[in-house]
Amino acid sequence: AQRVTQPEKLLSVFKGAPVELKCNYSYSGSPELFWYVQYSRQRLQLLLRHISRESIKGFTADLNKGETSFHLKKPFAQEEDSAMYYCALSGGSNYKLTFGKGTLLTVNP
Amino acid sequence: DGGITQSPKYLFRKEGQNVTLSCEQNLNHDAMYWYRQDPGQGLRLIYYSQIVNDFQKGDIAEGYSVSREKKESFPLTVTSAQKNPTAFYLCASSQVRGTEAFFGQGTRLTVV
Repeated sequence: AQRVTQPEKLLSVFKGAPVELKCNYSYSGSPELFWYVQYSRQRLQLLLRHISRESIKGFTADLNKGETSFHLKKPFAQEEDSAMYYCALSGGSNYKLTFGKGTLLTVNP
Repeated sequence: DGGITQSPKYLFRKEGQNVTLSCEQNLNHDAMYWYRQDPGQGLRLIYYSQIVNDFQKGDIAEGYSVSREKKESFPLTVTSAQKNPTAFYLCASSQVRGTEAFFGQGTRLTVV
């Protein structure tokens, strides 16, 4: 079974502060991890995936297999980062794509 | 204009009636998915399909049915057996495992 846990429903920070959105997963094989973002009134869209190892909009995420985590980080939050963030996992030979419950990030001015 | 289209945007049905939600993609993607999005519950997988004429149950398939007769289409039927059908439904597609999933704008179903 594959499972994604996002322990924080809500996260509120001030502009310019560092932000970390936590994601833990449960999967016995080699997972593929993603972060998706949903801005107000927009479609859910991919933010980044672990296999790319890239930084998007200043966000990075490192896959830690020992801790089964894939936390999303940004050193200096911006107001436009306010959105719902979902961690997702794809595992195994099938195409099953499982999402966490999401974290609503609010960046205050 | 390539993408994934869900219709209608809003749908109202009486309790006890089956209702079918449409999802079409012109991205030539093999995989398609249906999710249900409820406040505080995130996205829960209903059904997914890796290829035409094949589909798999997700985590909350009870009370739902799907078909995949064409690559570009993956309709979802919410049956009268679904106890809590009122929700926001999202459809997605992806090319292969591990690649980006593209989402539709969703259908909000209200059953009265």
